[in-house]
Amino acid sequence: QKEVEQNSGPLSVPEGAIASLNCTYSDRGSQSFFWYRQYSGKSPELIMFIYSNGDKEDGRFTAQLNKASQYVSLLIRDSQPSDSATYLCAVPSGTSYGKLTFGQGTILTVHP
Amino acid sequence: DTGVSQDPRHKITKRGQNVTFRCDPISEHNRLYWYRQTLGQGPEFLTYFQNEAQLEKSRLLSDRFSAERPKGSFSTLEIQRTEQGDSAMYLCASSPSNQPQHFGDGTRLSIL
Repeated sequence: QKEVEQNSGPLSVPEGAIASLNCTYSDRGSQSFFWYRQYSGKSPELIMFIYSNGDKEDGRFTAQLNKASQYVSLLIRDSQPSDSATYLCAVPSGTSYGKLTFGQGTILTVHP
Repeated sequence: DTGVSQDPRHKITKRGQNVTFRCDPISEHNRLYWYRQTLGQGPEFLTYFQNEAQLEKSRLLSDRFSAERPKGSFSTLEIQRTEQGDSAMYLCASSPSNQPQHFGDGTRLSIL
């Protein structure tokens, strides 16, 4: 089992819809979780992080964490074509924010 | 805040040659990380520094790879005797302790 797994893509949604991106992790001791967005040919850009069970909202983005199920998700409301990118889930090792272990990424396409 | 800077942006070299990449972190970020990313995959951790100390190195990293951060500011990543499999995007990230990482634009390495 991979340490961090993301739902297989690519994911295609119409403009204005909700895009749902999922990630599971194997280390039950993981404390924090990050979502990065990566446009083609560009570097990863941090868009959300979450530490506590439940939901965290930031504009059109909502991160959801369920530690019992070892599951974290990212919802993008009112999806826009500019949201088309690869979304990477990342989990740091330990509690000291050392190395990040990334999932393979989910490619999202928002079509007009 | 000028962001994480990496140089060069692209490097093309022949198999067997040595290459060196440079990363300048965001000022006052004491942590600096190196990752490698191949097409269709998430970034893979290589090594990281806290100030000038190299705190962790991936077990997957061969002896041909070496990284330094001599004065706790910029870092260099050297690959000796390059191989075809070294072709990838090499990403540098920096952060304050216990804070999320921010990535540079990367150095794309192509081995002929």
